[in-house]
Amino acid sequence: DARVTQTPRHKVTEMGQEVTMRCQPILGHNTVFWYRQTMMQGLELLAYFRNRAPLDDSGMPKDRFSAEMPDATLATLKIQPSEPRDSAVYFCASALWSETQYFGPGTRLLVL
Amino acid sequence: EDQVTQSPEALRLQEGESSSLNCSYTVSGLRGLFWYRQDPGKGPEFLFTLYSAGEEKEKERLKATLTKKESFLHITAPKPEDSATYLCAVQARSGGSNYKLTFGKGTLLTVNP
Repeated sequence: DARVTQTPRHKVTEMGQEVTMRCQPILGHNTVFWYRQTMMQGLELLAYFRNRAPLDDSGMPKDRFSAEMPDATLATLKIQPSEPRDSAVYFCASALWSETQYFGPGTRLLVL
Repeated sequence: EDQVTQSPEALRLQEGESSSLNCSYTVSGLRGLFWYRQDPGKGPEFLFTLYSAGEEKEKERLKATLTKKESFLHITAPKPEDSATYLCAVQARSGGSNYKLTFGKGTLLTVNP
């Protein structure tokens, strides 16, 4: 049963610390997305990659967020330094080209 | 800018009481409209994709329909296990943005036994 995996599932950290979230897309999928979900804003697209190349990161705060795909099986989202307003659920999704996106279980981040 | 508005924000039904959820959208050329289901503490789970006005898709007690301005998710004789947040998203046809999904804020459905 192919699915997107994300680690860690939960993260509690203090303001100013670095946070790294990881995602393993479905094998064979070549497009990877990072979303953030909050009660106020809903699901927001932060960045996405096609064939490991960044296509659009306009949804990310540039000064503190960065996203990379070191290889086809790993995508990372880093926040440095973290702030309380970054507290949210971060989802990774993968797709084959522009077809249906399949979501991972999410990383629940709390920044104190 | 693509926009998606879902209504109602929350809906409470009795088991067996059929109803519909609405998704209104504006997009610069629709490539696809997607419905997802999200359970508490989990990621969105794909339900349907609709591509053109008049298209309908069904899965168990759910049927999704599409017009040029909105989509409906009809729930027939719901059961408590249908309780979840239902999310609608649009994908635009144009250029490099045809990978992106724009989501609505969802409808929280509660089905009481």
